[in-house]
Amino acid sequence: VIWMTQSPSLLSASTGDRVTISCRMSQGISSYLAWYQQKPGKAPELLIYAASTLQSGVPSRFSGSGSGTDFTLTISCLQSEDFATYYCQQYYSFPRTFGQGTKVEIK
Amino acid sequence: EVQLVESGGGLVQPGGSLRLSCAASGFTFSSYWMSWVRQAPGKGLEWVANIKQDGSEKYYVDSVKGRFTISRDNAKNSLYLQMNSLRAEDTAVYYCARARVVVVVNPTAGYMDVWGKGTTVTVSS
Repeated sequence: VIWMTQSPSLLSASTGDRVTISCRMSQGISSYLAWYQQKPGKAPELLIYAASTLQSGVPSRFSGSGSGTDFTLTISCLQSEDFATYYCQQYYSFPRTFGQGTKVEIK
Repeated sequence: EVQLVESGGGLVQPGGSLRLSCAASGFTFSSYWMSWVRQAPGKGLEWVANIKQDGSEKYYVDSVKGRFTISRDNAKNSLYLQMNSLRAEDTAVYYCARARVVVVVNPTAGYMDVWGKGTTVTVSS
């Protein structure tokens, strides 16, 4: 099983801030990593796949980087609609696993 | 419009069974791996199962192996999750999701790009 450590679990920020979320793997997964955004009461939505490829329709203020064991999701200029919970997920091996989630809240 | 719609959730007693369905539309269902992902109240996402396009490969999280069965009917554009011997810890919103194919060693289920709205399963006496 590949264990994932996502940090921080809670991030307080203001509109316009640059925020960074980290996801660390217990073993290397190349670039087989996705990031999802989830708003309360809604299904998750895909933001980024292959560690750094932006899903169609996702604003360019979102970016992903990393490979191997360390990955980062960056929101360059936080907008009001970005306050949500973010999850990383590896698809390198079964069982697929998600990070614990990072809630981005208004400061 | 690409769409996934889950159904079949509800209240069931511990030890009981439930069958979830997911109706797909707007894309060629038979070309995609499909997934079930769940989320317990106030908790994070947990991958539950994947099934290959033709149903020949199935994968499960350890906690449901032997109790849950994923299946599909490509003629009906439908995905299923048969859940037996349900436990309180199976209480969650269950999401159906489409998985894009990626090649790790062989083609397999990758990231999930389309999600349903979810169906709620509550296991309680």
